[in-house]
Amino acid sequence: DAGVIQSPRHEVTEMGQEVTLRCKPISGHNSLFWYRQTMMRGLELLIYFNNNVPIDDSGMPEDRFSAKMPNASFSTLKIQPSEPRDSAVYFCASSSWASGNTIYFGEGSWLTVV
Amino acid sequence: DAKTTQPPSMDCAEGRAANLPCNHSTISGNEYVYWYRQIHSQGPQYIIHGLKNNETNEMASLIITEDRKSSTLILPHATLRDTAVYYCIVLTSGTYKYIFGTGTRLKVLA
Repeated sequence: DAGVIQSPRHEVTEMGQEVTLRCKPISGHNSLFWYRQTMMRGLELLIYFNNNVPIDDSGMPEDRFSAKMPNASFSTLKIQPSEPRDSAVYFCASSSWASGNTIYFGEGSWLTVV
Repeated sequence: DAKTTQPPSMDCAEGRAANLPCNHSTISGNEYVYWYRQIHSQGPQYIIHGLKNNETNEMASLIITEDRKSSTLILPHATLRDTAVYYCIVLTSGTYKYIFGTGTRLKVLA
């Protein structure tokens, strides 16, 4: 079975540019999570969706960040405008009741903003 | 969600059992203990979880104390590929808000 698929795997962009990260959750999973990982702050939950609806976005750092889930098989995390402090690894994860609340992570998108 | 406390780092000889402790003294009755690991900035990988009984799967065993205030993850025969950061997480049943702490950095030595 395919796991959580993220793209791009690596992105280098200039400050001020828009960045869009994409995620395809595991088929049949109805919850999706976006995490960010940095050396300073570790793994932080940014937002999570249940049945395509954002349930908790309290971890979204500021208005420059937005996330959408237009359907059960696709989600985006957008940063506009990007700043150097946004450089991090962004992980997407998914889960379902059938998986017993266990969440499964993708391999991450490495973002560098210069 | 209950807070967890883990030692920042541990070493283990290859082939020996690795015992990783976690303290969760404020855990509630409906909160599960989950363990994940992260190998060199790959996505975190699920290992095992439990409520109050000990659990075992193909990767590891989870021992939860009777009062549920602490637990131990056991890798029975550690290999070099088990070198990773191990996270202990407490999660309320029916919720999804995983909070990752700083974890334990396990180094398996040849």
